[in-house]
Amino acid sequence: AQKVTQAQTEISVVEKEDVTLDCVYETRDTTYYLFWYKQPPSGELVFLIRRNSFDEQNEISGRYSWNFQKSTSSFNFTITASQVVDSAVYFCALSGNTPLVFGKGTRLSVIA
Amino acid sequence: NAGVTQTPKFRILKIGQSMTLQCAQDMNHNYMYWYRQDPGMGLKLIYYSVGAGITDKGEVPNGYNVSRSTTEDFPLRLELAAPSQTSVYFCASSYFQNRDRNSNQPQHFGDGTRLSIL
Repeated sequence: AQKVTQAQTEISVVEKEDVTLDCVYETRDTTYYLFWYKQPPSGELVFLIRRNSFDEQNEISGRYSWNFQKSTSSFNFTITASQVVDSAVYFCALSGNTPLVFGKGTRLSVIA
Repeated sequence: NAGVTQTPKFRILKIGQSMTLQCAQDMNHNYMYWYRQDPGMGLKLIYYSVGAGITDKGEVPNGYNVSRSTTEDFPLRLELAAPSQTSVYFCASSYFQNRDRNSNQPQHFGDGTRLSIL
């Protein structure tokens, strides 16, 4: 069975602080994909990143960075210099040869 | 670019009523999905389809039915609405091809249908 755990239910930070959202996954598939989605207060789901299990390179996109470590089955997401517009619920998700399995999400509040 | 289109955006039903949530995609994706999101929770898979004429149950299929007569459309049917089905429903689509390392592109989501059953 596939499972995604986001242990942090809610996080609050002050603007310009860095924040890391944790994601731990379980799967028996040897090939799988990991995703992060953002759900702002307006409710839509915004794709942020996809990672293949055979590519452990970390990735940086502007203020966003992702740290994928197969040894610990983790795919953590860091926002540098957070902004109020980053306030949202962030979901980590996993897919092997099956549809996406989502974590329960982490609600991030960035306070001005 | 329309992407994934869901209708309606909002609906209130009475217990026991039936309705169909519509979902259409124009990206020629083979896979389509229905999820529900309860307050404060992640998304749970209701049904999915790997192509026209093929559907499979997800994690929470009870009380729902689907059909996939075309590549573009994947309607979700509630036959006897119950309060427990009050939720936000998301439809999604993706392109997936086995053995293709570059496939399983991110699922494209519709904007959701907020359904209340009273």
